[in-house]
Amino acid sequence: DAKTTQPPSMDCAEGRAANLPCNHSTISGNEYVYWYRQIHSQGPQYIIHGLKNNETNEMASLIITEDRKSSTLILPHATLRDTAVYYCIVRFSSGSARQLTFGSGTQLTVLP
Amino acid sequence: GAGVSQSPSNKVTEKGKDVELRCDPISGHTALYWYRQSLGQGLEFLIYFQGNSAPDKSGLPSDRFSAERTGGSVSTLTIQRTQQEDSAVYLCASSFSSGINTGELFFGEGSRLTVL
Repeated sequence: DAKTTQPPSMDCAEGRAANLPCNHSTISGNEYVYWYRQIHSQGPQYIIHGLKNNETNEMASLIITEDRKSSTLILPHATLRDTAVYYCIVRFSSGSARQLTFGSGTQLTVLP
Repeated sequence: GAGVSQSPSNKVTEKGKDVELRCDPISGHTALYWYRQSLGQGLEFLIYFQGNSAPDKSGLPSDRFSAERTGGSVSTLTIQRTQQEDSAVYLCASSFSSGINTGELFFGEGSRLTVL
């Protein structure tokens, strides 16, 4: 699975959009980009995933660059409850289950 | 319930004792994972089960750790002769085994193990 690089921490004002970047320059054509988050003292929570098209769900939007070497997770209106560690994971093939490798992630702090 | 259930939520034990941690995955999910997370650290993969296939044990840190999954559902992680460095939160997750959503893991709340 391709390695990812994320900033260790970011701040965002409550109500504003939080844009979390992820670099995955060695991604291959059939690797998906997954985003998870972990709120303090809880298990990780799936947010969204995509292959090459931008994706949106009720939690967030995922923007993947045309060359697929980086992506951005967007929380459109961040709230205090969005304070968490956000993990960007690149995973080979969604056709069969296998382990996800979690890196260090980005600690997002939403400020009042 | 609808989510992944883990028990106990908290376990305090003495060094050298054996412990068992239980995970009840979401019904219909045939893939099951164990991770652990030490204080302030990231998630460390331990083991994963997929249907009736042989489990991927590549993440188990020593032979004191073992896991089984009976009937393709409930899983038990066993740590023998616990050491203080085993203190961590042990997280279980489940997912579908095939199809486009296999990377969507559903995690339980974890079992916090403290070895004195």
